[in-house]
Amino acid sequence: GAGVSQTPSNKVTEKGKYVELRCDPISGHTALYWYRQSLGQGPEFLIYFQGTGAADDSGLPNDRFFAVRPEGSVSTLKIQRTERGDSAVYLCASSPRGTTEAFFGQGTRLTVV
Amino acid sequence: GQNIDQPTEMTATEGAIVQINCTYQTSGFNGLFWYQQHAGEAPTFLSYNVLDGLEEKGRFSSFLSRSKGYSYLLLKELQMKDSASYLCAVRELGNTPLVFGKGTRLSVIA
Repeated sequence: GAGVSQTPSNKVTEKGKYVELRCDPISGHTALYWYRQSLGQGPEFLIYFQGTGAADDSGLPNDRFFAVRPEGSVSTLKIQRTERGDSAVYLCASSPRGTTEAFFGQGTRLTVV
Repeated sequence: GQNIDQPTEMTATEGAIVQINCTYQTSGFNGLFWYQQHAGEAPTFLSYNVLDGLEEKGRFSSFLSRSKGYSYLLLKELQMKDSASYLCAVRELGNTPLVFGKGTRLSVIA
Protein backbone atom coordinates (compact mmCIF):
# COMPACT_ATOMS: atom_id res chain seq x y z
CA GLY A 1 0.00 0.00 0.00
CA ALA A 2 0.92 3.65 -0.17
CA GLY A 3 1.33 4.21 3.55
CA VAL A 4 1.86 2.42 6.85
CA SER A 5 -1.16 0.26 7.62
CA GLN A 6 -2.17 -0.80 11.12
CA THR A 7 -4.87 -3.25 12.10
CA PRO A 8 -7.18 -3.25 13.88
CA SER A 9 -7.92 0.46 14.14
CA ASN A 10 -9.70 -0.13 17.43
CA LYS A 11 -9.45 -2.98 19.91
CA VAL A 12 -11.40 -3.40 23.14
CA THR A 13 -10.28 -6.25 25.35
CA GLU A 14 -10.84 -7.45 28.87
CA LYS A 15 -8.20 -7.16 31.54
CA GLY A 16 -5.98 -10.23 31.53
CA LYS A 17 -6.51 -11.10 27.87
CA TYR A 18 -3.86 -11.39 25.14
CA VAL A 19 -3.83 -9.03 22.15
CA GLU A 20 -1.91 -8.75 18.90
CA LEU A 21 -1.52 -5.53 16.97
CA ARG A 22 -0.35 -5.62 13.36
CA CYS A 23 1.74 -3.17 11.36
CA ASP A 24 2.33 -3.29 7.62
CA PRO A 25 5.12 -0.79 6.78
CA ILE A 26 5.73 1.02 3.52
CA SER A 27 7.19 -1.41 1.02
CA GLY A 28 10.98 -1.41 1.05
CA HIS A 29 11.34 0.37 4.38
CA THR A 30 13.91 -1.47 6.47
CA ALA A 31 13.40 0.36 9.77
CA LEU A 32 10.20 -0.15 11.75
CA TYR A 33 9.27 1.49 15.06
CA TRP A 34 6.53 0.93 17.62
CA TYR A 35 5.41 3.79 19.82
CA ARG A 36 2.65 4.19 22.40
CA GLN A 37 0.76 7.45 22.83
CA SER A 38 -1.51 8.39 25.72
CA LEU A 39 -3.95 11.29 25.59
CA GLY A 40 -2.18 14.64 25.66
CA GLN A 41 1.28 13.09 25.47
CA GLY A 42 3.87 12.64 22.75
CA PRO A 43 4.63 9.20 21.30
CA GLU A 44 6.66 7.02 23.68
CA PHE A 45 9.20 4.68 22.07
CA LEU A 46 8.72 0.95 22.57
CA ILE A 47 10.86 -1.04 20.12
CA TYR A 48 12.79 -0.58 16.86
CA PHE A 49 13.52 -3.15 14.14
CA GLN A 50 16.17 -2.93 11.47
CA GLY A 51 15.25 -5.71 9.08
CA THR A 52 14.15 -8.79 11.01
CA GLY A 53 16.03 -8.10 14.22
CA ALA A 54 15.09 -5.89 17.15
CA ALA A 55 17.84 -3.28 17.16
CA ASP A 56 16.55 -1.61 20.32
CA ASP A 57 13.81 -2.89 22.65
CA SER A 58 14.69 -0.69 25.60
CA GLY A 59 11.29 1.02 25.54
CA LEU A 60 9.21 -2.09 26.21
CA PRO A 61 7.72 -1.47 29.66
CA ASN A 62 7.91 -5.06 30.92
CA ASP A 63 7.99 -8.69 29.78
CA ARG A 64 4.28 -8.71 28.95
CA PHE A 65 5.16 -6.83 25.78
CA PHE A 66 6.84 -8.53 22.84
CA ALA A 67 7.19 -7.75 19.14
CA VAL A 68 8.31 -9.70 16.09
CA ARG A 69 9.11 -8.99 12.47
CA PRO A 70 9.95 -12.44 11.09
CA GLU A 71 10.36 -11.61 7.41
CA GLY A 72 11.55 -8.03 7.73
CA SER A 73 8.24 -6.53 6.63
CA VAL A 74 5.05 -6.95 8.69
CA SER A 75 5.45 -6.63 12.44
CA THR A 76 3.22 -7.78 15.28
CA LEU A 77 3.18 -6.26 18.76
CA LYS A 78 1.96 -8.77 21.33
CA ILE A 79 0.69 -7.90 24.79
CA GLN A 80 0.02 -10.62 27.34
CA ARG A 81 -2.19 -10.35 30.44
CA THR A 82 -3.37 -6.88 29.47
CA GLU A 83 -3.87 -4.29 32.19
CA ARG A 84 -6.03 -1.17 32.19
CA GLY A 85 -2.84 0.92 32.12
CA ASP A 86 -2.02 -0.54 28.71
CA SER A 87 -4.89 1.47 27.20
CA ALA A 88 -3.40 3.88 24.65
CA VAL A 89 -2.95 4.42 20.94
CA TYR A 90 -0.20 2.17 19.58
CA LEU A 91 1.56 3.79 16.64
CA CYS A 92 3.78 2.10 14.11
CA ALA A 93 6.21 3.97 11.87
CA SER A 94 8.68 3.00 9.17
CA SER A 95 11.54 4.65 7.34
CA PRO A 96 13.67 3.65 4.33
CA ARG A 97 16.77 3.80 6.50
CA GLY A 98 17.06 4.75 10.11
CA THR A 99 18.43 8.21 9.60
CA THR A 100 15.49 9.76 7.76
CA GLU A 101 12.09 10.84 8.99
CA ALA A 102 9.64 8.18 10.06
CA PHE A 103 6.23 7.75 8.41
CA PHE A 104 3.45 6.88 10.83
CA GLY A 105 0.39 4.70 10.53
CA GLN A 106 -3.02 5.73 11.86
CA GLY A 107 -2.51 3.70 15.02
CA THR A 108 -4.48 1.09 16.94
CA ARG A 109 -6.55 2.44 19.81
CA LEU A 110 -6.39 -0.23 22.53
CA THR A 111 -8.88 -0.07 25.39
CA VAL A 112 -8.56 -2.53 28.25
CA VAL A 113 -11.74 -2.79 30.34
CA GLY B 1 19.13 10.90 29.67
CA GLN B 2 16.71 12.73 27.46
CA ASN B 3 14.65 15.84 28.11
CA ILE B 4 12.60 17.59 25.45
CA ASP B 5 10.48 20.54 26.51
CA GLN B 6 7.83 22.46 24.63
CA PRO B 7 4.83 24.51 25.76
CA THR B 8 1.68 22.50 26.42
CA GLU B 9 -0.78 24.83 24.71
CA MET B 10 -0.80 27.95 22.53
CA THR B 11 -3.54 30.03 20.96
CA ALA B 12 -3.13 32.30 17.93
CA THR B 13 -5.35 34.24 15.55
CA GLU B 14 -6.12 33.29 11.98
CA GLY B 15 -3.73 35.08 9.60
CA ALA B 16 -1.12 35.70 12.30
CA ILE B 17 2.32 34.20 12.91
CA VAL B 18 3.11 31.82 15.77
CA GLN B 19 6.41 30.44 17.05
CA ILE B 20 6.52 27.13 18.93
CA ASN B 21 9.72 26.61 20.90
CA CYS B 22 11.46 23.37 21.78
CA THR B 23 14.47 22.87 24.03
CA TYR B 24 16.29 19.60 24.36
CA GLN B 25 18.96 17.96 26.46
CA THR B 26 20.16 14.69 24.96
CA SER B 27 23.33 12.64 25.21
CA GLY B 28 23.89 12.92 21.46
CA PHE B 29 22.39 14.75 18.50
CA ASN B 30 21.73 13.57 14.97
CA GLY B 31 18.79 15.71 13.91
CA LEU B 32 15.66 17.46 15.12
CA PHE B 33 12.23 16.80 13.61
CA TRP B 34 8.88 18.56 13.77
CA TYR B 35 5.64 16.64 13.25
CA GLN B 36 2.02 17.82 13.03
CA GLN B 37 -0.72 15.68 14.55
CA HIS B 38 -4.42 16.40 14.18
CA ALA B 39 -6.69 14.93 16.82
CA GLY B 40 -7.22 11.22 16.26
CA GLU B 41 -4.78 11.08 13.37
CA ALA B 42 -1.20 9.96 12.76
CA PRO B 43 1.73 12.37 13.15
CA THR B 44 2.86 13.75 9.79
CA PHE B 45 6.37 14.97 9.06
CA LEU B 46 6.89 18.74 8.74
CA SER B 47 10.60 19.50 8.90
CA TYR B 48 14.09 18.29 9.71
CA ASN B 49 17.13 20.24 10.93
CA VAL B 50 20.57 18.80 11.52
CA LEU B 51 22.69 21.93 10.99
CA ASP B 52 22.26 25.32 12.65
CA GLY B 53 20.02 27.78 10.91
CA LEU B 54 16.62 28.21 9.36
CA GLU B 55 14.88 25.77 7.02
CA GLU B 56 11.91 27.24 5.15
CA LYS B 57 9.13 25.24 3.56
CA GLY B 58 6.18 27.31 2.43
CA ARG B 59 4.26 28.72 5.40
CA PHE B 60 6.34 26.65 7.83
CA SER B 61 9.95 27.29 8.89
CA SER B 62 12.11 25.57 11.46
CA PHE B 63 15.19 26.89 13.21
CA LEU B 64 17.93 25.06 15.07
CA SER B 65 20.74 26.12 17.41
CA ARG B 66 22.73 23.07 18.46
CA SER B 67 24.90 24.96 20.94
CA LYS B 68 21.78 26.15 22.79
CA GLY B 69 19.81 22.92 22.43
CA TYR B 70 16.98 24.96 20.96
CA SER B 71 14.63 24.83 18.02
CA TYR B 72 11.48 26.61 16.98
CA LEU B 73 8.75 26.01 14.44
CA LEU B 74 7.36 29.15 12.83
CA LEU B 75 3.94 29.08 11.21
CA LYS B 76 2.94 32.04 9.06
CA GLU B 77 -0.46 33.14 7.71
CA LEU B 78 -2.22 30.85 10.14
CA GLN B 79 -5.27 28.98 8.92
CA MET B 80 -7.96 27.25 10.96
CA LYS B 81 -6.72 23.88 9.65
CA ASP B 82 -3.39 24.52 11.42
CA SER B 83 -5.11 23.78 14.74
CA ALA B 84 -3.29 20.61 15.81
CA SER B 85 -0.57 19.31 18.09
CA TYR B 86 3.01 20.00 17.05
CA LEU B 87 5.58 17.47 18.16
CA CYS B 88 9.30 18.15 18.53
CA ALA B 89 11.49 15.05 18.27
CA VAL B 90 15.24 14.43 18.47
CA ARG B 91 17.36 11.62 17.07
CA GLU B 92 20.34 11.14 19.36
CA LEU B 93 22.75 9.00 17.38
CA GLY B 94 22.97 7.13 14.09
CA ASN B 95 19.85 5.08 13.51
CA THR B 96 18.34 5.43 16.98
CA PRO B 97 14.58 6.03 17.18
CA LEU B 98 13.15 9.53 17.52
CA VAL B 99 12.53 10.77 21.06
CA PHE B 100 9.43 12.96 21.22
CA GLY B 101 8.40 15.83 23.42
CA LYS B 102 4.87 15.94 24.81
CA GLY B 103 3.66 18.17 22.01
CA THR B 104 2.19 21.66 21.83
CA ARG B 105 -1.53 21.91 21.19
CA LEU B 106 -2.14 24.94 18.95
CA SER B 107 -5.58 26.46 18.65
CA VAL B 108 -6.19 28.90 15.81
CA ILE B 109 -9.12 31.23 16.45
CA ALA B 110 -10.96 33.61 14.17
